[in-house]
Amino acid sequence: EDKVVQSPLSLVVHEGDTVTLNCSYEVTNFRSLLWYKQEKKAPTFLFMLTSSGIEKKSGRLSSILDKKELFSILNITATQTGDSAIYLCAVPYTSGTYKYIFGTGTRLKVLA
Amino acid sequence: DAGITQSPRHKVTETGTPVTLRCHQTENHRYMYWYRQDPGHGLRLIHYSYGVKDTDKGEVSDGYSVSRSKTEDFLLTLESATSSQTSVYFCAISESRKSSYEQYFGPGTRLTVT
Repeated sequence: EDKVVQSPLSLVVHEGDTVTLNCSYEVTNFRSLLWYKQEKKAPTFLFMLTSSGIEKKSGRLSSILDKKELFSILNITATQTGDSAIYLCAVPYTSGTYKYIFGTGTRLKVLA
Repeated sequence: DAGITQSPRHKVTETGTPVTLRCHQTENHRYMYWYRQDPGHGLRLIHYSYGVKDTDKGEVSDGYSVSRSKTEDFLLTLESATSSQTSVYFCAISESRKSSYEQYFGPGTRLTVT
């Protein structure tokens, strides 16, 4: 059965800290892994990863995929209060359709 | 932002009544999705569409039906609303033209069934 598991479920840090969020997956026909940020509204797209070992970066956020160990991490350096959000990861289902399975998300709170 | 709108944005309805939520896109994307989001469950797929009149079930499709008669509109219907369907509903769109699997989400509809 296809599965996506995120950890930790929630995290509280202080501004300036570095955080690492984890996403592990079980799908037979892996094609891609997506990261989203969700504040008090709809999720917004952050990264799409398809190849192992290639780090994607956007400012203080970066992400990397390990297709051998079946996980991805999202790093946020020098956190700011504006990083407070739920971070979601998703992968397409094994079936080859364009349906996605999402993890339950990691709720990050950054304190000033 | 991708051109996706949802209506209504908020709705309160009574148990047993039918409810239809509308998703409208201006991006001409092929794929459209309906998700629900509940605490502790993340986003769960209800139904999705891969073209006009082409739909498929997701993991939580019981009690829901969908229709897509035009590329730009995807309707989600609760035939007889129950309290367990109180949730936030998100529509999303996706397009594979660029071999990309990015999904763009609408603003959400908060539905309360009393």
